[in-house]
Amino acid sequence: EAQVTQNPRYLITVTGKKLTVTCSQNMNHEYMSWYRQDPGLGLRQIYYSMNVEVTDKGDVPEGYKVSRKEKRNFPLILESPSPNQTSLYFCASSFIHGTVDYEQYFGPGTRLTVT
Amino acid sequence: GESVGLHLPTLSVQEGDNSIINCAYSNSASDYFIWYKQESGKGPQFIIDIRSNMDKRQGQRVTVLLNKTVKHLSLQIAATQPGDSAVYFCAWGVGYIPTFGRGTSLIVHP
Repeated sequence: EAQVTQNPRYLITVTGKKLTVTCSQNMNHEYMSWYRQDPGLGLRQIYYSMNVEVTDKGDVPEGYKVSRKEKRNFPLILESPSPNQTSLYFCASSFIHGTVDYEQYFGPGTRLTVT
Repeated sequence: GESVGLHLPTLSVQEGDNSIINCAYSNSASDYFIWYKQESGKGPQFIIDIRSNMDKRQGQRVTVLLNKTVKHLSLQIAATQPGDSAVYFCAWGVGYIPTFGRGTSLIVHP
């Protein structure tokens, strides 16, 4: 089954404790991205990646890191989480045909709470 | 399920009616526009997209209309079904960083 998986689905942590949210896709997509979704706001892009070892900042990259060492995986790293990073996070992926194929496949989401 | 927003605009329709969901976008330079559906507790699901050189595109039971003059996008769902109940939001952009609207909650009454 074609899918994007994220782990963990729920995470409660404390300020300053480094954490990683994993994202994996099995569709051989070149493009992967991370978003956060907050009440009253639309989805906002954190980082995206066009292919292995190619990453770039989205709209709200501060406080986050990513890496793309393999095509299928795109982990999101919070080196020192803060309460304002409490949010619902989504990973997404798609093909690139000249430009990004806008039919992005989203993961199920990770609910992060930072106390 | 996960809450995707507070006090979203809501559209209530009867099963079998046609639904029209609207979106105002902000960037007149946008060259692509997308509609997504998000059910409670799930990630967004792509519905349909349209490029800036088009003003209408049809899919299965859905039609997207684009009016660049007033920066307005709409999604029409024909013969709305209970399974269509979800939050719908549009996205627009140029390049690889889309901007997303806040969304509209569609409630379909049997």
